[in-house]
Amino acid sequence: DSGVTQTPKHLITATGQRVTLRCSPRSGDLSVYWYQQSLDQGLQFLIQYYNGEERAKGNILERFSAQQFPDLHSELNLSSLELGDSALYFCASQDNSREGYNEQFFGPGTRLTVL
Amino acid sequence: LAKTTQPISMDSYEGQEVNITCSHNNIATNDYITWYQQFPSQGPRFIIQGYKTKVTNEVASLFIPADRKSSTLSLPRVSLSDTAVYYCLVGDWYEDSNYQLIWGAGTKLIIKP
Repeated sequence: DSGVTQTPKHLITATGQRVTLRCSPRSGDLSVYWYQQSLDQGLQFLIQYYNGEERAKGNILERFSAQQFPDLHSELNLSSLELGDSALYFCASQDNSREGYNEQFFGPGTRLTVL
Repeated sequence: LAKTTQPISMDSYEGQEVNITCSHNNIATNDYITWYQQFPSQGPRFIIQGYKTKVTNEVASLFIPADRKSSTLSLPRVSLSDTAVYYCLVGDWYEDSNYQLIWGAGTKLIIKP
């Protein structure tokens, strides 16, 4: 158990809909990362938040947005869903108190299926 | 930005040493090299991290040559449970910097009995 929780575990929805994925980082971790992993594909970094602020952006579509709240949990919002958005979405948290130490702790993921 | 390249797949046998190499030609001065392991339908798990020369922990070793343009993850005496996808990651986090995490495409390692 990494200490990172994600809800829901599974989500099935239809094209055109909007969903929200939730992530709670490990206690004390200020950074939250979001990743997308399509079937049998590698990890695509989407976005990172640090202590409530956006810190780095990857290959995140304009239809996707995220935020990190004062209690450090984060939400990833996916709108106007397309079939190609079906994937595993991972959240990871990181301590960041040690310079150069890049250990991220990944949650179990949310499996999104768009029909 | 650094780009990472890894073999798509590798096979080996139980008890053997396995070496997986990742090339990262444009690695920046401040970048660290990190390796993760991922089992199906699970999130990746940190294995090891290094900056230069050699790093060893209880599960793996990481060899980084002086030019740092590549790195090799070494798994000693693998077992069937080491069958997984292995990712290398290049990047650094420092409070005041902007950076981009560069993940490799992953190497699917299959261990045979």
